[in-house]
Amino acid sequence: RKEVEQDPGPFNVPEGATVAFNCTYSNSASQSFFWYRQDCRKEPKLLMSVYSSGNEDGRFTAQLNRASQYISLLIRDSKLSDSATYLCVVNPLTGSARQLTFGSGTQLTVLP
Amino acid sequence: GAGVSQTPSNKVTEKGKYVELRCDPISGHTALYWYRQSLGQGPEFLIYFQGTGAADDSGLPNDRFFAVRPEGSVSTLKIQRTERGDSAVYLCASSLAGINNEQFFGPGTRLTVL
Repeated sequence: RKEVEQDPGPFNVPEGATVAFNCTYSNSASQSFFWYRQDCRKEPKLLMSVYSSGNEDGRFTAQLNRASQYISLLIRDSKLSDSATYLCVVNPLTGSARQLTFGSGTQLTVLP
Repeated sequence: GAGVSQTPSNKVTEKGKYVELRCDPISGHTALYWYRQSLGQGPEFLIYFQGTGAADDSGLPNDRFFAVRPEGSVSTLKIQRTERGDSAVYLCASSLAGINNEQFFGPGTRLTVL
């Protein structure tokens, strides 16, 4: 079983739609959680951290359910510029506690 | 300010050759990381430096892979006797010290082993 699992998609949605991505992680001791965005042939960039209380940044809302080991990302009013791969990322707090463990990513295409 | 830079951007080599990939972190970032990303996968951790020392090299796949950071800034990832399975994008990231500081990624080096 992979440490971080995501639905690979692709998700093709019209502009203005709401889309949700889900992710599960296997290490119950994990403490830090993130969503990264990666454009085609570019480097990953931090989209937002994910907190137990849930957090929102504009059109983006992230939720964490520790009991279910489940992370979600909701994008409202999607824009063409949201087209990218969204990577679920966990710090499993093993080894140096610095290594990030990435899911395989969920590909989103927002259509005009 | 300048971000993380990596050279070369692309490297094509033949099976069995030796390659070096370079990373220039953001100025002032003491932590440096190497990841490897294969097609259709997320980045996979290789090694982490705090200053000049490798604090965690648990992700290096075998002893053909080695990385150095002799002056605590620029790092070089070295791959000996390259194999076709080493083909991937090698990403470098840097961050400030501290366990939860954001890791900033460079554009990567796309390595192709023929």
